[in-house]
Amino acid sequence: GESVGLHLPTLSVQEGDNSIINCAYSNSASDYFIWYKQESGKGPQFIIDIRSNMDKRQGQRVTVLLNKTVKHLSLQIAATQPGDSAVYFCAENKGWGGGFKTIFGAGTRLFVKA
Amino acid sequence: DTAVSQTPKYLVTQMGNDKSIKCEQNLGHDTMYWYKQDSKKFLKIMFSYNNKELIINETVPNRFSPKSPDKAHLNLHINSLELGDSAVYFCASSLRRDRGSTGELFFGEGSRLTVL
Repeated sequence: GESVGLHLPTLSVQEGDNSIINCAYSNSASDYFIWYKQESGKGPQFIIDIRSNMDKRQGQRVTVLLNKTVKHLSLQIAATQPGDSAVYFCAENKGWGGGFKTIFGAGTRLFVKA
Repeated sequence: DTAVSQTPKYLVTQMGNDKSIKCEQNLGHDTMYWYKQDSKKFLKIMFSYNNKELIINETVPNRFSPKSPDKAHLNLHINSLELGDSAVYFCASSLRRDRGSTGELFFGEGSRLTVL
């Protein structure tokens, strides 16, 4: 069946260090993989996505790596800041009707220590 | 000028009652969604409408009934509320696939439902 999971439920990093959040998936038919950030009391917010035929995509301070061989996705945050403290979700996305079906992983809580 | 707005933000009610949550988006998107987030933060798709047509209906009890009067609104009505319905319900929207969207979801702030 479809599933998107995480290796670590919580991650604690020192401010200024780099963070790596990992995710495993089992459905190879997804079109896109997406990372979302959810701050306390808010809805998830899009960070970055990667098409299923790509290996790497970079944004501002974030990099997403996709390893289709082992069905692994990671989000790297450079120079982690206190404002990065949140729950991070990986998600896989497939076209569905005129829209999309997005399946979320369980989430990783990132704590940034000052 | 909130992009995706949900009301109410908090809802506390007794078991057996019927309640509704409303959602509106002003982004001009064609597709809207309802997600349920449980106490462990797990997000699960419930329903999706594309231009008022139901396209996703996951295994959700019949007590849950979505309604989309137009493509900018998607409401969720819940009958005979149960303790297990307590959760945060998120509305989201996205551009249509054929308009070049990669499926980025724009979420509301959530509606926390507590059933006593």
